[in-house]
Amino acid sequence: DSGVTQTPKHLITATGQRVTLRCSPRSGDLSVYWYQQSLDQGLQFLIQYYNGEERAKGNILERFSAQQFPDLHSELNLSSLELGDSALYFCASSVESLYNEQFFGPGTRLTVL
Amino acid sequence: GDSVTQMEGPVTLSEEAFLTINCTYTATGYPSLFWYVQYPGEGLQLLLKATKADDKGSNKGFEATYRKETTSFHLEKGSVQVSDSAVYFCALTDAGGTSYGKLTFGQGTILTVHP
Repeated sequence: DSGVTQTPKHLITATGQRVTLRCSPRSGDLSVYWYQQSLDQGLQFLIQYYNGEERAKGNILERFSAQQFPDLHSELNLSSLELGDSALYFCASSVESLYNEQFFGPGTRLTVL
Repeated sequence: GDSVTQMEGPVTLSEEAFLTINCTYTATGYPSLFWYVQYPGEGLQLLLKATKADDKGSNKGFEATYRKETTSFHLEKGSVQVSDSAVYFCALTDAGGTSYGKLTFGQGTILTVHP
């Protein structure tokens, strides 16, 4: 158990809908990262927050957004969902934003029908 | 930009065989290098890491040495077990510029070990 929790574990929804994925980092970790894992794209970095502020953006679509709250948990919002958004979404956390190893949650499997 | 290339998979071995999974990288700065493992239905677990040239990371019988001259970080294990069957990801994080520690992953290598 990495200490990073993600909910829900599975999510099935329809095209055009909006969903929210939640992540709670390890106690004491200030950085939260979101990654998408799909068969065709592999593991892709989406976005990073550090102590409530957006720190880095990767291949995140404009339909996707995220935030980190004062209690350090983070939410990833996916809207106007398309079939191609079906993937595993991982959250990871680390103590600092540079070099430190990242601890991954179990992931949320999103299926868009 | 940064990139990681892993050997083509999948890899199928018999128990107690020697394992090598090749990994090479491209980075503009001075990356830290990692191997993560993903067991079926689970998230990624850090297997080992190396933060500077010539460092050797090791854990659970797995080893990898940071080779700056060949930009490589190959994963090795002398005697694999059935329980090592998983997907292995090579990754780097490069704090240069604005990357702020995000991980760049290779495509993953599926390892299956038969009894």
